[in-house]
Amino acid sequence: DAMVIQNPRYQVTQFGKPVTLSCSQTLNHNVMYWYQQKSSQAPKLLFHYYDKDFNNEADTPDNFQSRRPNTSFCFLDIRSPGLGDAAMYLCATSRGLGGGASETQYFGPGTRLLVL
Amino acid sequence: AQTVTQSQPEMSVQEAETVTLSCTYDTSESDYYLFWYKQPPSRQMILVIRQEAYKQQNATENRFSVNFQKAAKSFSLKISDSQLGDAAMYFCAYRTDYGGSQGNLIFGKGTKLSVKP
Repeated sequence: DAMVIQNPRYQVTQFGKPVTLSCSQTLNHNVMYWYQQKSSQAPKLLFHYYDKDFNNEADTPDNFQSRRPNTSFCFLDIRSPGLGDAAMYLCATSRGLGGGASETQYFGPGTRLLVL
Repeated sequence: AQTVTQSQPEMSVQEAETVTLSCTYDTSESDYYLFWYKQPPSRQMILVIRQEAYKQQNATENRFSVNFQKAAKSFSLKISDSQLGDAAMYFCAYRTDYGGSQGNLIFGKGTKLSVKP
């Protein structure tokens, strides 16, 4: 089945130790998103890629970076994780940004990050 | 900036009964999309239903339907014949197709739905 895959499902890191979260998709979608979701809160968009074009949200900390080496994969890099970065990180994809059916976002299962 | 408000942090419904989850939003745009997403515990977020703002007809998907009131900026979700598997966090989301935020989803804080057997 076509889907959005996130690895690992659970990630433990140490305070200040760089960590990378992975997302892959078999939907061949042009857009890939990264969201941060803290406990009992709504997902918050960090950034997205439209193909190779990177779009950062204005309030996303510099500590968060992303890479998209090809259509299928997108990575979230946290350069120096702090205790406040402990959260669920959701990856999503969509065919496009415009109207019609392309506007639906499909989510992966998420990676729960724990910072010790 | 657009905002989405879900005023019910938690709701409960008896199995086989009907429940309505509320959502209001604020926007100055005329064309946009609205969504309800379901996030079961420890499972991924899935799309329940979507509504295009230019369509007056309310969207339906099996047991799920919406009451879209554009003038009132209201977008409620009705779940009929509730099932135990409907227990989840439900998020209302707004999507714009304009400007630098094109394609971005703005979520409400969610409503946790419990289904009692």
